[in-house]
Amino acid sequence: DIQLTQSPSFLSASVGDRVTITCRASQGISSYLAWYQQKPGKAPNLLIYGASTLQRGVPSRFSGSGSGTEFTLTIRSLQPEDFATYYCQQLNSYPHTFGGGTKVEIK
Amino acid sequence: EAQLVQSGPEVKKPGESLKISCKGSRYTFSGHWIGWVRQMPGKGLEWMGIIYPDDSDTRYSPAFQGQVTISADKSITTAYLHWSSLKASDTAIYFCARREMSTKLDAFDIWGQGTMVTVSS
Repeated sequence: DIQLTQSPSFLSASVGDRVTITCRASQGISSYLAWYQQKPGKAPNLLIYGASTLQRGVPSRFSGSGSGTEFTLTIRSLQPEDFATYYCQQLNSYPHTFGGGTKVEIK
Repeated sequence: EAQLVQSGPEVKKPGESLKISCKGSRYTFSGHWIGWVRQMPGKGLEWMGIIYPDDSDTRYSPAFQGQVTISADKSITTAYLHWSSLKASDTAIYFCARREMSTKLDAFDIWGQGTMVTVSS
């Protein structure tokens, strides 16, 4: 199985901050990486696919980059509604593993 | 707009069987993979397996192979997750999700609302 390691697992930030979350794959996955946002009690919501393409309806302050084994999710200017947990997922090979998650909390 | 609607919460005893469902609507159900994802209390997302409803091609995570059965009935646009003998450790929220695969998009783009399964004696 391909392991995905997210860092940090927790971060505390303020509204307006720039936030970067990293996802590292145990082997190359090309650009078969997606990012999701999950709020408490809700299903995950797709933010980015193909490592860098923004899903329709997702604000442009979110961006993704990377290929191979190292990927990042950046939130340009954190908004109150962005406080949530973020997960990466690889779809290069089965099983389509998720990263452990990064919880973004208000400082 | 495409949607997935899951069956309601379940409370079961260890050793009992259970089948939960995920009904798709407003899209071509048979032409999209449906995956199942577990989220144990306070924990992260775990990919369990996935099925292609048109031909029932199914793939499992090794961690869940033999523990659950994934099936689908394309005639009623519904996917299922089945346990033959539940354990307390199966207590979790289970999500179904549609895998959209197009030119560049490959991800779970539509999610069900989740089904809470509680297993307790």
